[in-house]
Amino acid sequence: EVQLVQSGAEVKKPGESLKISCKGSGYRFTTYWIGWVRQMPGKGLEWMGIIYPGDSDTRYSPSFHGLVTISADKSISTAYLQWSSLKASDSAMYYCARDYGDPWGLDYWGQGTLVTVSS
Amino acid sequence: QTVVTQEPSFSVSPGGTVTLTCGLNSGSVSTSSYPSWYRQTPGQAPRTLIYNTNTRSSGVPDRFSGSILGNKAALTITGAQADDESDYYCVLHVGGGISVFGGGTKLTVL
Repeated sequence: EVQLVQSGAEVKKPGESLKISCKGSGYRFTTYWIGWVRQMPGKGLEWMGIIYPGDSDTRYSPSFHGLVTISADKSISTAYLQWSSLKASDSAMYYCARDYGDPWGLDYWGQGTLVTVSS
Repeated sequence: QTVVTQEPSFSVSPGGTVTLTCGLNSGSVSTSSYPSWYRQTPGQAPRTLIYNTNTRSSGVPDRFSGSILGNKAALTITGAQADDESDYYCVLHVGGGISVFGGGTKLTVL
């Protein structure tokens, strides 16, 4: 069974760094892309970026390029989303999801990680 | 900047048929946009309904179908049920491995 399990909720202060994770199981992790999606409170879904764990090829939405870093450790089937300096506006639910790549399209989703940034 | 457009809201009667659409501010949607559709109820993770224009994800009933209608992607729901009341999002691939979500459609069944 394909599963994506995300790390738990985080409460951070502005300026702090953060790395959240998404562990895949039940499939060959290196042959599918993993995408990250943001959902701010009461708002819609936003496509942030995507990584191919097989070779760490990473693509970012222009809206998120330079604001976050997506990475993966294929040895432990885990993808990451990280911030070097959080802002209050980063408070949101973050989802990871598997993408076929060819054809493009998200299929399995993680349960989400709630990030709260508050002083 | 690429903007993916969806109807903000739509309503359908129980048992009825509804078609939601997904367009581009900068041109036409085609199969090479790989349109996909997702639904989300409050407090839940999104669920994939359709990918690659018209392929249903595992376990999705055939009441849900995807297509290209004119210059937009479309999601048609037939035999609407009360639990179809959800937010529906489309995604279009815009090239270079980059995709964009639409703003979502809030579907009411009444």
